[in-house]
Amino acid sequence: QSALTQPASVSGSPGQSITISCTGTSGDIGNYVSWYQQFPGKAPKLIIYEVNNRPSGVSVRFSGSKSGHTASLTISGLQGEDEAIFFCGSFTASSTTFGGGTKLTVL
Amino acid sequence: QVQLVQSGAEVQKPGASVKVSCKASGYTFTNYYIHWVRQAPGQGLEWMGKINPSDGRATYAQKFQGRVTLTTDTPTRTVFLDLGSLRSEDTAIYHCARVGLTTKAFDYWGQGTLVTVSS
Repeated sequence: QSALTQPASVSGSPGQSITISCTGTSGDIGNYVSWYQQFPGKAPKLIIYEVNNRPSGVSVRFSGSKSGHTASLTISGLQGEDEAIFFCGSFTASSTTFGGGTKLTVL
Repeated sequence: QVQLVQSGAEVQKPGASVKVSCKASGYTFTNYYIHWVRQAPGQGLEWMGKINPSDGRATYAQKFQGRVTLTTDTPTRTVFLDLGSLRSEDTAIYHCARVGLTTKAFDYWGQGTLVTVSS
């Protein structure tokens, strides 16, 4: 499987909403798409699983969706603390494929 | 609480092997697959393989077939990553991560182990 395609960077002002896309082929993007937030020097943290589910404790400002071969992560009400790198991942029984990561800058 | 604690940083020469450990606690060890994911400096995440601690069966990414071995030691609740024939491109942070039973995603991660390959 090839890596999933994400934009290298996105930015937004506090209070705004942003969306990060994650595009694959028909075999890559299924129902087990997850999103991870990573701060510098830290391990990734799961924020969305199975396309649109939030683990306990994750802010409701994070939401996920999927249309065709593209999954999306939306962050509403941007806050300075959201500034991080975001990765998508597609899980199958045999392997997992990740996107290249998107750096979110809060202006 | 669930924790995955990895061994410390390593420096190895090209051609050598490295063994990284991942010690689990806070859950039933044999119920959850452990995966290994690496991240080269400034790069994205790369999946390397997974192991089922209940039976020791492992699956590897094609890219690493023949160079990587995953093993478990159930009494110590530890998973090991063995990577051989190291080259400079293997310099990266190596993470172990658990896949949740219901999430089909990596719900807990180790802190990461920096492996540097340099002559």
